Amino acid sequence: EVQLLESGGGLEQPGGSLRLSCAASGFTFSSHAMSWVRQAPGKGLEWVSSISGSADRTYYAASVKGRVTISRDNSKSTLYLQVNSLRAEDTAIYYCARGMATWFDLWGQGTLVTVSS
Amino acid sequence: QSVLTQPPSVSAAPGQKVTITCSGSSSNIGNNYVSWYQHLPGTAPKLLIYDTNKRPSGIPDRFSGSKSGTSATLGITGLQTGDEADYYCGTWDSSLSVVLFGGGTKVTV
Repeated sequence: EVQLLESGGGLEQPGGSLRLSCAASGFTFSSHAMSWVRQAPGKGLEWVSSISGSADRTYYAASVKGRVTISRDNSKSTLYLQVNSLRAEDTAIYYCARGMATWFDLWGQGTLVTVSS
Repeated sequence: QSVLTQPPSVSAAPGQKVTITCSGSSSNIGNNYVSWYQHLPGTAPKLLIYDTNKRPSGIPDRFSGSKSGTSATLGITGLQTGDEADYYCGTWDSSLSVVLFGGGTKVTV
């Protein structure tokens, strides 16, 4: 089955760090660019970051640039998002999505990150 | 406030049609493909339209996409109660090198 499964969310303290993971299955992971998109409570979708299939290109939203690193391990078909210096405004459901730029054709169920003391 | 502007909500009776507009600029919608997503809170968003007017396999032809200048439109005909959801437009901004989503439109049937 073609699917994406996120993990790594939870309750984190402001200023802390976390790493989200997204395990892909059912397709050739290395052939696809991948992205992270988040949705804060009561808000719309917000693109966070994208990475090319070979990991030679990465892109970041201005709101997270400098605090976030996207990476991937094609041997494990896994996408990662490292978030540092966590802020309350990082509280959101984080979705892993297949694609980059103009469309995302496969999404995971999301993992909830709550930043609070 | 999103760079891509969508109406907060639209509504129509079952069987009727709705259109959702997404307004941007020449650096995003004007010169890039547009995609549309259906999202029920707590679930995975679903791609409805890609490359402005193409439907992925399995998406019924009740859903259609178009673009004129710096605005894109999603049309939904034969509305069903199952279509009640939030709908988002998305595209690339060539000047900023970022992905943009509209603020979302809630469809009520």
